[in-house]
Amino acid sequence: EPEVTQTPSHQVTQMGQEVILRCVPISNHLYFYWYRQILGQKVEFLVSFYNNEISEKSEIFDDQFSVERPDGSNFTLKIRSTKLEDSAMYFCASSGGSGLADIQITDTQYFGPGTRLTVL
Amino acid sequence: AQSVTQLDSQVPVFEEAPVELRCNYSSSVSVYLFWYVQYPNQGLQLLLKYLSGSTLVKGINGFEAEFNKSQTSFHLRKPSVHISDTAEYFCAVAYSSASKIIFGSGTRLSIRP
Repeated sequence: EPEVTQTPSHQVTQMGQEVILRCVPISNHLYFYWYRQILGQKVEFLVSFYNNEISEKSEIFDDQFSVERPDGSNFTLKIRSTKLEDSAMYFCASSGGSGLADIQITDTQYFGPGTRLTVL
Repeated sequence: AQSVTQLDSQVPVFEEAPVELRCNYSSSVSVYLFWYVQYPNQGLQLLLKYLSGSTLVKGINGFEAEFNKSQTSFHLRKPSVHISDTAEYFCAVAYSSASKIIFGSGTRLSIRP
């Protein structure tokens, strides 16, 4: 069964450093997402991405964050200058949809196993 | 705006007993409803989803949920739980799968032998 993969599984970084979290969505999916879960809290939406551009972003997704699909398979989340409060589990997700870009088509968002980011 | 409320942060239950995890949502438009499970130190796995049609939805691992529009609820049930069901369960809503998913705060299900 196809699955979303994420690397690394755990990333430790110093405050102020840049990190890039990587995701490989399911191959025929068209919609991509990042969510995060601070320890002990709910899962929060960060950003959605379709047709090589951001389709929606939350208040959390400020100028320190960026997303990119550099090739046909990877989907990355970059945090330019990490803060202590960025420590969290970051989940990538992808979903299908048709080539006609009908956003009302229903499908399931499949989540990756997550990357645990620890900012020291 | 959409929101999801899971009233119980923790639900302890004995093995082989039935369980119900409560979920209420609020939305001014039709929504799609989901239950996700997160096993210890793992990612999110879809248990079941309600998109349209029959209000009783069956999912994996013997779980089912019933959509109740008048009560704006989507409670998750299992008639007999197993130790392996120990996990965090998240109720969630979305306008469609192409839109963001809004998660509830989660319910930790702990199974006692």
